[in-house]
Amino acid sequence: GENVEQHPSTLSVQEGDSAVIKCTYSDSASNYFPWYKQELGKRPQLIIDIRSNVGEKKDQRIAVTLNKTAKHFSLHITETQPEDSAVYFCAAFPPAGNMLTFGGGTRLMVKP
Amino acid sequence: EAQVTQNPRYLITVTGKKLTVTCSQNMNHEYMSWYRQDPGLGLRQIYYSMNVEVTDKGDVPEGYKVSRKEKRNFPLILESPSPNQTSLYFCASRYRRTGYSYEQYFGPGTRLTVT
Repeated sequence: GENVEQHPSTLSVQEGDSAVIKCTYSDSASNYFPWYKQELGKRPQLIIDIRSNVGEKKDQRIAVTLNKTAKHFSLHITETQPEDSAVYFCAAFPPAGNMLTFGGGTRLMVKP
Repeated sequence: EAQVTQNPRYLITVTGKKLTVTCSQNMNHEYMSWYRQDPGLGLRQIYYSMNVEVTDKGDVPEGYKVSRKEKRNFPLILESPSPNQTSLYFCASRYRRTGYSYEQYFGPGTRLTVT
């Protein structure tokens, strides 16, 4: 089955700096890659996603890039703010699968 | 309001005492799933269901049971809970892939402690 690895597991940045989280996946047939944000004590919520026919997608301060050849995708957050502090999960959806396979998560801390 | 609900939100129980965590969605989603979340291990899938009466094991099914008798409900059953099942549990649902969003919607979570 699909295997998703996520790095780093923790990331600390200064407010205003950029943050980058990287994920690799194993199933070359996977075609959907979402990113979820989980604030403390809350449920994961979708913040951005990308399909395999697109190399990059941007939504205000967040962007996701996908390299299908290398089987990796990344989340980029620019001009970080304290409210960006949370755990971020990447995931992959293989056509043969039924639900998302998640990476291990990255705890992002934005210091004021 | 479109949502996934879970009950109870918090539960403390003792080893061996059967319990059920309920999950319900009002979006007419075909797929439903249970995940457990443990520190450093991310979200691991326990069981999933593709439709009524169709269920299958995820990555960590041992010690759990599920049923899908109605489309909107997908309860998680622990017949004989053990301390290693202490975790945060999430139910999730989504549409079938074809023609709809792939987005998974999560319930609010159930924090289970087994002593």
